[in-house]
Amino acid sequence: AQKITQTQPGMFVQEKEAVTLDCTYDTSDQSYGLFWYKQPSSGEMIFLIYQGSYDEQNATEGRYSLNFQKARKSANLVISASQLGDSAMYFCAMREGAGYGKLTFGQGTILTVHP
Amino acid sequence: SQTIHQWPATLVQPVGSPLSLECTVEGTSNPNLYWYRQAAGRGLQLLFYSVGIGQISSEVPQNLSASRPQDRQFILSSKKLLLSDSGFYLCAWSGVTASPLHFGNGTRLTVT
Repeated sequence: AQKITQTQPGMFVQEKEAVTLDCTYDTSDQSYGLFWYKQPSSGEMIFLIYQGSYDEQNATEGRYSLNFQKARKSANLVISASQLGDSAMYFCAMREGAGYGKLTFGQGTILTVHP
Repeated sequence: SQTIHQWPATLVQPVGSPLSLECTVEGTSNPNLYWYRQAAGRGLQLLFYSVGIGQISSEVPQNLSASRPQDRQFILSSKKLLLSDSGFYLCAWSGVTASPLHFGNGTRLTVT
């Protein structure tokens, strides 16, 4: 079974609007972490935001927030006030238990921001 | 501050030739190190990770191998490349377990 599922291959959003990128995960561990990364066309992987399984508050980093619904096993990324520079591939990833730090990635969502 | 260097940025190699990709980390000690591969338009697949010098764990059986000869150096190798080894290879490091992975800029490998 897929550990991380991103069901939206592509998303479009108008500049200055908000967009939600979906991510569901599957784990039997009680302790885990969820990450979002941005990959522009240059290929570099940019860390955006982190949510721990025991964190009670949703994580926020500037225009990025993580809508964490533990019972539903979802960790959606919300980007507010989209900018043209937000156009990129976005990956959701999970670290399970001790995991030696390794992350399992979803297939990604390509976000296109229209002017 | 910590930085990660990965080279070369692009590489075109014929089938059957050897491969050596190198990754080094600066500004931290005893990092966890990782090699990921990304096929075109796809997610990242973990190939190898290392928690210390000489300690390598392989996630998938394949034509590749990894070595960690020094604390902050991680090398991905192959004796004979296959067409299926083409892809985008990313090296990453992390600190304590809860910390994110920090990636290098990647190597785009084309096997012809």
